Amino acid sequence: DQQVKQNSPSLSVQEGRISILNCDYTNSMFDYFLWYKKYPAEGPTFLISISSIKDKNEDGRFTVFLNKSAKHLSLHIVPSQPGDSAVYFCAASSFLQGAQKLVFGQGTRLTINP
Amino acid sequence: DAMVIQNPRYQVTQFGKPVTLSCSQTLNHNVMYWYQQKSSQAPKLLFHYYDKDFNNEADTPDNFQSRRPNTSFCFLDIRSPGLGDAAMYLCATRIAGGYNEQFFGPGTRLTVL
Repeated sequence: DQQVKQNSPSLSVQEGRISILNCDYTNSMFDYFLWYKKYPAEGPTFLISISSIKDKNEDGRFTVFLNKSAKHLSLHIVPSQPGDSAVYFCAASSFLQGAQKLVFGQGTRLTINP
Repeated sequence: DAMVIQNPRYQVTQFGKPVTLSCSQTLNHNVMYWYQQKSSQAPKLLFHYYDKDFNNEADTPDNFQSRRPNTSFCFLDIRSPGLGDAAMYLCATRIAGGYNEQFFGPGTRLTVL
């Protein structure tokens, strides 16, 4: 039972264009969503997040959109740069007994082509 | 720099031979997590500590144990590793309270021969 899904294992985008990464979830109890970026041989690094009371959060070139009715979120990167090539994980958070638990998607490998 | 450190980065063990992975943090976060990530899969939460309180996920095998002797250190013990336990093991920390992110270490890649 996969509660968080990233249906695109890979995405290739030209440098300077917009990259759009998608994520779907099934559990309506999730109330906080995060995107992590992972380079090879490194741990995931936090990128941007959004709480369920918002539908958009922006940080520089990165914007996350949340559509609660569709249980869908997306990460937009514009303009895309070669250093953005990495695996991106979507994660959904719920709080149980005071502790945050994250459920991750399988990741999307983004390749930015010069 | 404040960080999450995992040692060793690569660990090779034999089938059935106990192995311990370690995680330390200089962030003074009170919550620590262990995740297992198999190739091309999502990281999966094994357990976490909220201060000294240990919380096991329902589907974490008994073969996996954890110890947290103090705020800074957390260990993952695999009592009898099987071939299916070969994976990347990620440690993460977080300060409890509110909406915030988890900070991850670089991971330990475990190979079981």
